[in-house]
Amino acid sequence: GQSLEQPSEVTAVEGAIVQINCTYQTSGFYGLSWYQQHDGGAPTFLSYNALDGLEETGRFSSFLSRSDSYGYLLLQELQMKDSASYFCAVKSPGNTGKLIFGQGTTLQVKP
Amino acid sequence: EAGVAQSPRYKIIEKRQSVAFWCNPISGHATLYWYQQILGQGPKLLIQFQNNGVVDDSQLPKDRFSAERLKGVDSTLKIQPAKLEDSAVYLCASSLGGRDNEKLFFGSGTQLSVL
Repeated sequence: GQSLEQPSEVTAVEGAIVQINCTYQTSGFYGLSWYQQHDGGAPTFLSYNALDGLEETGRFSSFLSRSDSYGYLLLQELQMKDSASYFCAVKSPGNTGKLIFGQGTTLQVKP
Repeated sequence: EAGVAQSPRYKIIEKRQSVAFWCNPISGHATLYWYQQILGQGPKLLIQFQNNGVVDDSQLPKDRFSAERLKGVDSTLKIQPAKLEDSAVYLCASSLGGRDNEKLFFGSGTQLSVL
């Protein structure tokens, strides 16, 4: 089976840096993804880590440690529009490996 | 590039009625997914297609849910009969498949209310 744990809520102020952690327990692991979802909207892809280390895309970075079954999403220079839910998702092995989502972290950015 | 299209956007039915959702994935995307998202939770995978074959339907309640992907393009998800606990947003997603499976493109979803 697979389980993912992430904090349910995080609050930060505009301009700050916030880190959203994700730990996972899976029977097979291929990679860790992050998705953003605004209220009433569709999830949108942010990043993917298959190997250990940090991946940077603009203000967002994602980190993976396979040995610790742990990853995080780092958001820098927070803006009001970053207020949303953030989901980590684990991809199981194989070219048709399925993507299993965590319960999500609601980020509230305050002025 | 056109995104993933879903319809209807909203649907309200009474319990024990049937309902169907439609999805048109991004052109050329081999893999199609149906997810159920209950309010305040993460998306839960119901079924995954690779072209027109089922790859995974382990979490699909097969006594009431069915899905098909005709000719490896459009897909429909049906619930018959619906229960109160089926109230959720049903999200369709697609991906290129293969090694690019990790980037899913989601449609806007169908919000289902079962009364």
